[in-house]
Amino acid sequence: GAGVSQTPSNKVTEKGKYVELRCDPISGHTALYWYRQSLGQGPEFLIYFQGTGAADDSGLPNDRFFAVRPEGSVSTLKIQRTERGDSAVYLCASSLVGLYNEQFFGPGTRLTVL
Amino acid sequence: AQTVTQSQPEMSVQEAETVTLSCTYDTSESDYYLFWYKQPPSRQMILVIRQEAYKQQNATENRFSVNFQKAAKSFSLKISDSQLGDAAMYFCAYRSSNYGGSQGNLIFGKGTKLSVKP
Repeated sequence: GAGVSQTPSNKVTEKGKYVELRCDPISGHTALYWYRQSLGQGPEFLIYFQGTGAADDSGLPNDRFFAVRPEGSVSTLKIQRTERGDSAVYLCASSLVGLYNEQFFGPGTRLTVL
Repeated sequence: AQTVTQSQPEMSVQEAETVTLSCTYDTSESDYYLFWYKQPPSRQMILVIRQEAYKQQNATENRFSVNFQKAAKSFSLKISDSQLGDAAMYFCAYRSSNYGGSQGNLIFGKGTKLSVKP
């Protein structure tokens, strides 16, 4: 079956603009995670969905960042009033419920804010 | 809060030789999971190996094995018979084994870039 997919692969935007990043998880995976990976760093947790609800959004850096998962499948990460410091690779991962289960990662979206 | 430290920004190994990547972590929890992920230039994180903290036996997956020292909070990755395809960034990661404060998210180190010389 298909793995986790993310679109777009690359996104270039100007400071102050609004962007949406999409994640299509593996079918049947109810757990979905967003991570942000800045240059030269490991991924950092942003938000976790269990089904349709955000079970943990403690990693979102500020209120410009928001994510939804309205039908419990596809998720969209939304960034308002982008800043140059938002430039990073945004990774999505999905898994079956349960902490033992492996998180499968997508290829990420590289966001560049000019 | 848990932290993961990888002190080797870059490592190099000759093809067919063995290399060990280091990782230390800090936690007050007694039960947790540790992982090594590989990230090639394609950016996709691939799980290499996993260790449950309650297991004393070190995990092994083909050419990959770990040296898990729970008391020392050390979790190194050994790659035997290195191949050109092993060249990538390697990340050590921690995950709590209970939901508690975290919801199962992974905590990553900064990574080690591994080069394999032919």
